[in-house]
Amino acid sequence: GENVEQHPSTLSVQEGDSAVIKCTYSDSASNYFPWYKQELGKRPQLIIDIRSNVGEKKDQRIAVTLNKTAKHFSLHITETQPEDSAVYFCAASRNSGYALNFGKGTSLLVTP
Amino acid sequence: EAGVAQSPRYKIIEKRQSVAFWCNPISGHATLYWYQQILGQGPKLLIQFQNNGVVDDSQLPKDRFSAERLKGVDSTLKIQPAKLEDSAVYLCASSFSTAGGSYNSPLHFGNGTRLTVT
Repeated sequence: GENVEQHPSTLSVQEGDSAVIKCTYSDSASNYFPWYKQELGKRPQLIIDIRSNVGEKKDQRIAVTLNKTAKHFSLHITETQPEDSAVYFCAASRNSGYALNFGKGTSLLVTP
Repeated sequence: EAGVAQSPRYKIIEKRQSVAFWCNPISGHATLYWYQQILGQGPKLLIQFQNNGVVDDSQLPKDRFSAERLKGVDSTLKIQPAKLEDSAVYLCASSFSTAGGSYNSPLHFGNGTRLTVT
């Protein structure tokens, strides 16, 4: 089955800096790659997703890039703010109806 | 739009006892998932339903875990008997996507049930 590797496991940046989280996947049939943010004690919430026919997607301070040949995708957060502090999970799945396979998460800490 | 509802929010039981969790997905969502999230790890799929049928239960420990979605809406997940390693947050999620469709719609998660087995 699909194996999603995520790194780093922890990331500390100063407010205003950029943060990058990287993921690799094993199943070449995967074509949907969402990112979830989970604050302490709360549910995972979708922040951005990308599909295999797109190489990059941006939403304000958040961007995701996808390299299908290398089977890796990355989350980029610019101008980080303390409220960006949370655990971020990448995930991958095949076509519609397949379950998401999650990475182990990255704990991001943004210090003022 | 109402979100995914789960109950209870917290549960503490002793090992070898049984426990059940309930989930009500977003109205109109055909697919329902149960994930197990152990502290410090990403969610791991236990079982996926489409309407009232099982799509994937390959990672469900069937000797102790069971789940049902009898009317294609609400779902229950049961553990009997519980072990210490079952301590985790059990997340229910739903999505509009169906198997064989052409579009992945996002998963919407509930707040989860935090289970502690002592």
